[in-house]
Amino acid sequence: NAGVTQTPKFQVLKTGQSMTLQCAQDMNHEYMSWYRQDPGMGLRLIHYSVGAGITDQGEVPNGYNVSRSTTEDFPLRLLSAAPSQTSVYFCASSYRDRPYGYTFGSGTRLTVV
Amino acid sequence: SQQGEEDPQALSIQEGENATMNCSYKTSINNLQWYRQNSGRGLVHLILIRSNEREKHSGRLRVTLDTSKKSSSLLITASRAADTASYFCATARNSGNTPLVFGKGTRLSVIA
Repeated sequence: NAGVTQTPKFQVLKTGQSMTLQCAQDMNHEYMSWYRQDPGMGLRLIHYSVGAGITDQGEVPNGYNVSRSTTEDFPLRLLSAAPSQTSVYFCASSYRDRPYGYTFGSGTRLTVV
Repeated sequence: SQQGEEDPQALSIQEGENATMNCSYKTSINNLQWYRQNSGRGLVHLILIRSNEREKHSGRLRVTLDTSKKSSSLLITASRAADTASYFCATARNSGNTPLVFGKGTRLSVIA
């Protein structure tokens, strides 16, 4: 099925550990982004990419890295997990050069202890 | 920082009634979008309205946009229990290649 696939769905990390959240889409969307969702805060943008090899920071980029080596994949790396990074993470994709709705993944629920 | 602010934060109605949610934003936009999120799930795109449009319909959804007031409303007619979800507005400053900025959402409960 066409869409955005996020893995894993759930993850528990210890403070200081690193990990990579995976995101893949098969719709040939140029634009991909990562958001985090915290209770009462809505969605906040972490990083985004308008195409392979191009990334930029969003509203809350500290503690996260991204890269975009292919059109399909946009992994999010947590360098040294902190309890403040406990959240639900969503990846989304869209076309770049026209107004279009985002397609969201089902999310990764991350707990840092 | 949040661009859109939804109002009310929570809304509870009976099945069959209409539900209206409002969104205000701060800067000029290219388009405004509405999304639905069921509990524990990802967001689903509902409708997009461009800055040069005033009203748009999709099934039981009606969206209006007033750029002079920097506000939008989402009307769900003849609501159903399955409409119970959180609804978010999101704004885009440019066409397609800039991030959507989301509001904090309205939690809608439709009671059967």
